[in-house]
Amino acid sequence: NAGVTQTPKFRVLKTGQSMTLLCAQDMNHEYMYWYRQDPGMGLRLIHYSVGEGTTAKGEVPDGYNVSRLKKQNFLLGLESAAPSQTSVYFCASKGLVRLETQYFGPGTRLLVL
Amino acid sequence: AQTVTQSQPEMSVQEAETVTLSCTYDTSESDYYLFWYKQPPSRQMILVIRQEAYKQQNATENRFSVNFQKAAKSFSLKISDSQLGDAAMYFCAYRRESYGGSQGNLIFGKGTKLSVKP
Repeated sequence: NAGVTQTPKFRVLKTGQSMTLLCAQDMNHEYMYWYRQDPGMGLRLIHYSVGEGTTAKGEVPDGYNVSRLKKQNFLLGLESAAPSQTSVYFCASKGLVRLETQYFGPGTRLLVL
Repeated sequence: AQTVTQSQPEMSVQEAETVTLSCTYDTSESDYYLFWYKQPPSRQMILVIRQEAYKQQNATENRFSVNFQKAAKSFSLKISDSQLGDAAMYFCAYRRESYGGSQGNLIFGKGTKLSVKP
């Protein structure tokens, strides 16, 4: 099992460019999440999904869109990147079992110039 | 809204000694989980230990243990016999639970950077 993988690992964008971050999990988990981590901050929830075809906003959703067309994939899109979106992005997934914890991907470092 | 506070931005411990990292949280819920995550320089988020709110017994995982004080809303992490590999950022996190399932969203504190001196 690969667990949770994220593509790409690192990306540099210019202001106004768009890009999509891909998260994939092979554990058949229902729940998937996108977080961002900024210096001096913990992880903050951007969007999440409770199942294929469903998405919901988290704490800091502005400037991002997501899609969950397949159960194993959760895409995070930036339509017009801004320097404030420079961050490290983490994807996570979780199954339905009550006690189960979230499994995190390795992170994607995004730099917006 | 639930919040998680880690009041120690940085901590330092001598190798083989014991250190305690503090965490407080605010919630009106009665059913929840608390977690400590370790983030080494590789950035990978690693689960260290978890505590179910309805369990009075403090969780223990090898050299890691917690002091869970539900009434005081306090959840501290004790690391015994500290090792060089324990050096990392440590995040306290809260997750609300409800019967019938929940979204499982985690709320994180800002973290404590732990240094281990040889």
